[in-house]
Amino acid sequence: KQEVTQIPAALSVPEGENLVLNCSFTDSAIYNLQWFRQDPGKGLTSLLLIQSSQREQTSGRLNASLDKSSGRSTLYIAASQPGDSATYLCAVLKAAGNKLTFGGGTRVLVKP
Amino acid sequence: AAGVIQSPRHLIKEKRETATLKCYPIPRHDTVYWYQQGPGQDPQFLISFYEKMQSDKGSIPDRFSAQQFSDYHSELNMSSLELGDSALYFCASSLGDRGHTDTQYFGPGTRLTVL
Repeated sequence: KQEVTQIPAALSVPEGENLVLNCSFTDSAIYNLQWFRQDPGKGLTSLLLIQSSQREQTSGRLNASLDKSSGRSTLYIAASQPGDSATYLCAVLKAAGNKLTFGGGTRVLVKP
Repeated sequence: AAGVIQSPRHLIKEKRETATLKCYPIPRHDTVYWYQQGPGQDPQFLISFYEKMQSDKGSIPDRFSAQQFSDYHSELNMSSLELGDSALYFCASSLGDRGHTDTQYFGPGTRLTVL
């Protein structure tokens, strides 16, 4: 059974610092991995998707890496801003059309 | 661009009542997924449909049922509601082309409160 873990559970940084969020999964046989952002009580916004054959994806200040063999992904957010404060969730997809298995999320607070 | 639409956005019910949640996927998307997110928890998969057929089933209680209609919208029916059913219910959709990226796009969710 796939288990997804995110460490740390919470993170507080001053504005301008780079953020490093970690995600690990137990079964390396994945189809893809997605990173989401969730604001309190709100929906899930997809940030980046990395296919199993890819090593990283970039979008603006966001960069996500994937090391499938070691079961790890890292989300980097450069030059953090207070507006980046949210919970970030990673989720893995085992096969096309299958369910996503989510990690517990990392709650990020960027202090002005 | 059109997104996943869920209705209602908020729903308050009493114990033992019935609730119906609706999901309208992104146009041309033929796969729909339902997830439940309890307070302070990560989303848990309930059930999914591909081309109007159930494709996968997760930890969905027997009191819940769902279906996907000919226009690809989906409904989640919840009966004999319990306090523990209070949660945010997400619908997601994807394009069922198995050679595609299979990104799941999430709706804004329906917040169900059972009193």
